[in-house]
Amino acid sequence: GAVVSQHPSWVICKSGTSVKIECRSLDFQATTMFWYRQFPKQSLMLMATSNEGSKATYEQGVEKDKFLINHASLTLSTLTVTSAHPEDSSFYICSARGRGQGLTTYSNQPQHFGDGTRLSIL
Amino acid sequence: GNSVTQMEGPVTLSEEAFLTINCTYTATGYPSLFWYVQYPGEGLQLLLKATKADDKGSNKGFEATYRKETTSFHLEKGSVQVSDSAVYFCALSGAGTALIFGKGTTLSVSS
Repeated sequence: GAVVSQHPSWVICKSGTSVKIECRSLDFQATTMFWYRQFPKQSLMLMATSNEGSKATYEQGVEKDKFLINHASLTLSTLTVTSAHPEDSSFYICSARGRGQGLTTYSNQPQHFGDGTRLSIL
Repeated sequence: GNSVTQMEGPVTLSEEAFLTINCTYTATGYPSLFWYVQYPGEGLQLLLKATKADDKGSNKGFEATYRKETTSFHLEKGSVQVSDSAVYFCALSGAGTALIFGKGTTLSVSS
């Protein structure tokens, strides 16, 4: 089945550091990638949607300058948390969706999730 | 806007008990509905899905039926196992949009 690889799985760093998280689709072309944030024992909150080759669309309340998203190719999207602070500590999960083929519509393509990145800012 | 409401947890059951986790949704149009499972320390895994009314999704003994009249997609399993202990998320996706998740329901199964 479709595989999405997310790296790193866990990162601990000092306050003020910028952290980059990579999300790769390993066996399909991801026309759209999504970035979610999950607080402990809570649901996943969509942060942004990115389509290959275009700027990401951020959800209301998500700082664009804080969370930089780049979707430079059909297999890679990156999320950079700039000047991270303790309140940015969270579990970040990416997902990817490919294009449909034949009569399969785009909207019915499943989202495949990475295993998540646990970010801890000291 | 679109939203998903699922029952509060945690749900605690003994092995071989019957499981129901309720999920209702609000959406415009005809969304696709999903159940995802998250094991401790891991990412999300798609458990099952249904793309149109009256469809039944099933996998690993779990099943859920897309009920448009009641806007529901309840998850059921006839006999749970300890290995089913996890957090279960109900989700929907409209045309071309990202998944919208419910808050998640923690299931704990004891032997």
